[in-house]
Amino acid sequence: AQTVTQSQPEMSVQEAETVTLSCTYDTSENNYYLFWYKQPPSRQMILVIRQEAYKQQNATENRFSVNFQKAAKSFSLKISDSQLGDTAMYFCAFIKLKTSYDKVIFGPGTSLSVIP
Amino acid sequence: GAVVSQHPSRVICKSGTSVKIECRSLDFQATTMFWYRQFPKQSLMLMATSNEGSKATYEQGVEKDKFLINHASLTLSTLTVTSAHPEDSSFYICSAKSQGHSYEQYFGPGTRLTVT
Repeated sequence: AQTVTQSQPEMSVQEAETVTLSCTYDTSENNYYLFWYKQPPSRQMILVIRQEAYKQQNATENRFSVNFQKAAKSFSLKISDSQLGDTAMYFCAFIKLKTSYDKVIFGPGTSLSVIP
Repeated sequence: GAVVSQHPSRVICKSGTSVKIECRSLDFQATTMFWYRQFPKQSLMLMATSNEGSKATYEQGVEKDKFLINHASLTLSTLTVTSAHPEDSSFYICSAKSQGHSYEQYFGPGTRLTVT
């Protein structure tokens, strides 16, 4: 069974600084996707970034980038130039690519506070 | 981008009554929909996977007679909480997958259920 672990329940960062959120996962699958989702106080789940396991190049989306280490099963999220609107719960997630019914496995989440 | 709506956004019901929550994919056909439950400051817990035209697949520990799921069309899935009790109070989120993308899930804004 797949598991996703986020070892930092809470983190804080000063506005404009950089912060890295950690995520590790366990799987025997070779083909899968990894995601970071953001859930702000509105509780709407927002996809921040995704990474295909077969791609060695780390995904980037504007101020968000990941450090994907497949052998170590690590998938950390770096947020640069943190903004107040980045305050949210962040969930690391995994999905294997075998059938269209495969379900997303979520980590426990990291609550990020951006301090003005 | 693909949009998923949920109705109602919040509902209060009396103990012993039933309440229905709708999940709609507005601009795509969703062959698979997922229902999650989320407690405060916790991760999303998958309750069931709903495939159009077939019976839902429930996760272990989820009572299928209490949480009735119907996926009657490619754009609508419903979750009915039957004989609701205060412990059913929670935040319920649906997500939908389109046929063409095996990994991408689009989340609804959630429904806050309060049982008095």
